[in-house]
Amino acid sequence: NAGVTQTPKFQVLKTGQSMTLQCAQDMNHEYMSWYRQDPGMGLRLIHYSVGAGITDQGEVPNGYNVSRSTTEDFPLRLLSAAPSQTSVYFCASSTGGEAFFGQGTRLTVV
Amino acid sequence: AQSVTQPDIHITVSEGASLELRCNYSYGATPYLFWYVQSPGQGLQLLLKYFSGDTLVQGIKGFEAEFKRSQSSFNLKKPSVHWSDAAEYFCAASSGNTGKLIFGQGTTLQVKP
Repeated sequence: NAGVTQTPKFQVLKTGQSMTLQCAQDMNHEYMSWYRQDPGMGLRLIHYSVGAGITDQGEVPNGYNVSRSTTEDFPLRLLSAAPSQTSVYFCASSTGGEAFFGQGTRLTVV
Repeated sequence: AQSVTQPDIHITVSEGASLELRCNYSYGATPYLFWYVQSPGQGLQLLLKYFSGDTLVQGIKGFEAEFKRSQSSFNLKKPSVHWSDAAEYFCAASSGNTGKLIFGQGTTLQVKP
C-alpha cells in the first residue's frame, strides 16, 4: 500500500519563484490536509479539504493555494516563494479520526 | 482558542528507565487525542489514539497513554525505554471527525545507554 505520497522530497527555490508540492493518497479518504513543520512549533495546519471541490484555510494559509479536483490528489501551490516559507511540509489524509502522513517535502527558499 | 501544549521540549532518560511525556489540551469539549512519533528525516507514525471510553489507551511499541479529563491531560507512558525510542514525540488533538489536527510543540526524547 502506497498510503500518502508526496513529491518532491527536497526542493530549493529562489525567492519569488512558484512551485507545486504534490500529494496523492490511495486510501479513498475524504479529508486531506497540509501542514508545515518548523523547529519548536510542532506542525501547523496550512489548508485542508473535506472532499473533492471543498477546501478551507487553516492556521497559516497566507502565501499558499490549494485545490481538490479529485479525492486522491491535493496539491499545494506556493505563489511567490519567500524565505519564511523554508520548512518541512507534510500532507495527511484521514477519514476524520487518525491521520496518515506522507514522508514530507523539505523546502528551502533562498 | 483551541490548543495543545507539551511542557517539556527535551527529555533525557536512561535505557531501561520509565518514561512519561506530558500533554495538556484546551478545547471546548473533549477532543480526539493522538500521540505521534517522528524519527529524524521521517514522517509521523501514530502511536495511539483516544476517542472515548477507557481512559488508559494501549498503543504500538509498548506505549500507553492515560486520559484525565479533570486535568485536561493525555500523558504518554512507557515502562522501560529502549535506545530505539529516541525520537520526537507529538501530541495532537482534533474536534471530532474533522480531519484537522492541532499539534503540540513536540518533545525530543534522548535515551542514554
